[in-house]
Amino acid sequence: QSVLTQPPSASGTPGQRVTISCSGSSSNIGSNTGNWYQQLPGTAPKLLIYSNNQRPSGVPDRFSGSKSGTSASLAISGLQSEDEADYYCAAWDDSLNAWVFGGGTKLTVL
Amino acid sequence: QVQLVQSGAEVKKPGASVKVSCKASGYTFTSYGITWVRQAPGQGLEWMGWVSTYNTNTNYAQKFQGRVTMTTDTSTSTAYMELRSLRSDDTAVYYCARDGGTFDPWGQGTLVIVSS
Repeated sequence: QSVLTQPPSASGTPGQRVTISCSGSSSNIGSNTGNWYQQLPGTAPKLLIYSNNQRPSGVPDRFSGSKSGTSASLAISGLQSEDEADYYCAAWDDSLNAWVFGGGTKLTVL
Repeated sequence: QVQLVQSGAEVKKPGASVKVSCKASGYTFTSYGITWVRQAPGQGLEWMGWVSTYNTNTNYAQKFQGRVTMTTDTSTSTAYMELRSLRSDDTAVYYCARDGGTFDPWGQGTLVIVSS
């Protein structure tokens, strides 16, 4: 049971826009920023979005993040086949004094 | 370029210990902490803890307290994670990541199999 809640799966066709939600609480997303990680099949995770909506250098602007209250969202526009991966949200939890992850969302490009 | 290279796969018996290494290059080692995350087969990511490379302070997830030790060797820019009293459900890929408030980049992962 993950502290942050994500849908287990999402899907879209090439060119579409998809969003992935991440629901938390006042002790994590509600009081701290959220980060998103992309894990391509068989590889280590990679930082995708930090501080709710910032993209590291090299991440396409098709990827965007947002936060509202105790929830965060990842949006992917102009979906491409290479976006097929697992996506994880993460945030610091003040009550647990620990980083917490969502359970991950498997994105399928149809 | 910034890179973290981890030690190779391990097979251990229940009750044994494992020590995974993570060698950093391409940046000043003591300017960032190191976080350890594990991923059981087919499962999600689980944060295990963090070690400061500046003063060796640590912060372990409650689940692993008493069973894990995270250390660093600044002379070789290497971080270590030792997990003791291994159980079958410790079978997982263990990742290190540079921690400056975000986990970036990650090591390639070390598979640890616990089996009798």
